Amino acid sequence: KQEVTQIPAALSVPEGENLVLNCSFTDSAIYNLQWFRQDPGKGLTSLLLIQSSQREQTSGRLNASLDKSSGRSTLYIAASQPGDSATYLCAVRPNYGQNFVFGPGTRLSVLP
Amino acid sequence: EAQVTQNPRYLITVTGKKLTVTCSQNMNHEYMSWYRQDPGLGLRQIYYSMNVEVTDKGDVPEGYKVSRKEKRNFPLILESPSPNQTSLYFCASSLTAGPNEKLFFGSGTQLSVL
Repeated sequence: KQEVTQIPAALSVPEGENLVLNCSFTDSAIYNLQWFRQDPGKGLTSLLLIQSSQREQTSGRLNASLDKSSGRSTLYIAASQPGDSATYLCAVRPNYGQNFVFGPGTRLSVLP
Repeated sequence: EAQVTQNPRYLITVTGKKLTVTCSQNMNHEYMSWYRQDPGLGLRQIYYSMNVEVTDKGDVPEGYKVSRKEKRNFPLILESPSPNQTSLYFCASSLTAGPNEKLFFGSGTQLSVL
């Protein structure tokens, strides 16, 4: 059964730092992987989606990479801003139509 | 504006009183799903639907019902709520279940069952 973990559970950095959030999954046979952002008391917003055949995706200051063989994905945030403060979750879809399996999230605080 | 709309935003009820949480999307999405989010357990899928009249169980379906009579609506029904169903509920949708389809979430429904 697919399991997803995220390290660290919480992270606090000063504004302007580049940072990396980690996501690990136990079964390398995945369909796709998504990174989400969740603000307190709100729903999830999809940030980046990486298909099984892809190695990375970029959107603005965000870059997500995927290494299926090692069961890892990283979310790189460049030049962090206080507005980036949120919980970041990764989710893996094992196959077409199957449930997404979510990680527990990394709570990020960017200090001004 | 493209969105997934859930109602109500907050709901307090008592054990055994049937309730429905509505979910509607205006993006013509085929795939819709319900999740619950609990501290320490993360997001878990309750039910999902690949299209109209097609629904299937997720990881934690006990105590819940769904229906998909129209493409845009996917209500979550609790026939006899119990305190262990107190949770934050999210509806989500995507165009299909294909490899490049992002999942869009509603704003959530905070349910408390007393």
